Amino acid sequence: QVQLQESGPGLVKPSETLSLTCTVSGGAITPHYWSWIRQPPGRGLEWIGFIYFTGSSSYNPSLRSRVTISVDTSKNQFSLRLTSVTAADTAVYYCARGGGAARHWGQGTLVTVSS
Amino acid sequence: DIQMTQSPSSLSASVGDRVTITCQASQDINNYLNWYQQKPGKAPKLLIYDASNLETGVPSRFSGSGSGTDFTFTISSLQPEDIATYYCQQSHNLPYTFGQGTKLEIK
Repeated sequence: QVQLQESGPGLVKPSETLSLTCTVSGGAITPHYWSWIRQPPGRGLEWIGFIYFTGSSSYNPSLRSRVTISVDTSKNQFSLRLTSVTAADTAVYYCARGGGAARHWGQGTLVTVSS
Repeated sequence: DIQMTQSPSSLSASVGDRVTITCQASQDINNYLNWYQQKPGKAPKLLIYDASNLETGVPSRFSGSGSGTDFTFTISSLQPEDIATYYCQQSHNLPYTFGQGTKLEIK
């Protein structure tokens, strides 16, 4: 059974870069789509973007200038990079398998943006 | 972006009740509509994909219907473990967007 686990700093300073990695176990990165989705505390879900195992990606236009998703098939991992963060980026960040319907999710990791 | 409007935003029902949540898209999304269940402190769980297809392992009391802009999610007989927030999501146009959620409580 495929499992996903997010990892990365839980605290990021304003204007700095948020970096998270999702490690996939119990299944291969290929040939799937992999997504990042976030949820500010007490609020709804926001789709950040996805990447195909080939490296082809798509991002939410609201974040496009600041976000990069990459994949490392040799490590069975994919990553999120969000630059110039502000308090509005404070959220639980989830990684998931699937580009549209997301069938498998990580447990989520809270990232707080604060000085 | 396609706007997804869920109603109601909250709902209180009794065990055994039939529960219905609606989701309306701001434009035609064919049947590219998914439903998720999220329990407090947990990741969302996919229940229904492509409007009416039950995800493997999901109890048959959950169902979905609709096409175009109007969709319905139904729990045929509410169970205590169904207490959660439910979200619809369109996967027809990028960026994929979610409804604001429906918080379901036991009366």
